[in-house]
Amino acid sequence: QKEVEQDPGPLSVPEGAIVSLNCTYSNSAFQYFMWYRQYSRKGPELLMYTYSSGNKEDGRFTAQVDKSSKYISLFIRDSQPSDSATYLCAMRASGTYKYIFGTGTRLKVLA
Amino acid sequence: DTAVSQTPKYLVTQMGNDKSIKCEQNLGHDTMYWYKQDSKKFLKIMFSYNNKELIINETVPNRFSPKSPDKAHLNLHINSLELGDSAVYFCASSQDSQGARPYEQYFGPGTRLTVT
Repeated sequence: QKEVEQDPGPLSVPEGAIVSLNCTYSNSAFQYFMWYRQYSRKGPELLMYTYSSGNKEDGRFTAQVDKSSKYISLFIRDSQPSDSATYLCAMRASGTYKYIFGTGTRLKVLA
Repeated sequence: DTAVSQTPKYLVTQMGNDKSIKCEQNLGHDTMYWYKQDSKKFLKIMFSYNNKELIINETVPNRFSPKSPDKAHLNLHINSLELGDSAVYFCASSQDSQGARPYEQYFGPGTRLTVT
């Protein structure tokens, strides 16, 4: 079993839809959770960073962490064609230097 | 004011050659990383340096040798390149000591290596 599981998609939604992206993980020691957006032929761009459980909101993006279920989500409200990209989740345990990445979900927002 | 930069962006070379990729960060971070991203977008960590000390050395062929001359720079040298080395290589950095934004990791634009 992989440490981090992420549905690879592709996920196609109409413009304006609410998008839900998810990752599950097996290591209960993970405490730092990140979401990255990667456009084609570009580097991953840090979107959201959350420590431990709870929600964090930034504009149209909301990150949720449920440590009891070992499940993290990224919600995108009012999705735009410019949100079309691959979204990667990443996690890290305290006391380690290693980030564990999901395989990424390809999102396509149709105009 | 690029945060993490890499050179070159593209590298096309023949099997058996030796090549280097350079990375620089101006974020004042103390930890730097090399990742390899395959065609399926999976990011695999290769190496990490904290304050110029090697702290992560994953199962990578010893043809790959990282070098960190100072906290702001991390280079990757690859000897005897093979077809399977073709991938995108990303440099990243983070701040691992206590600070305003600990553990946030930032990536460079990538170096697309093609071995023919």
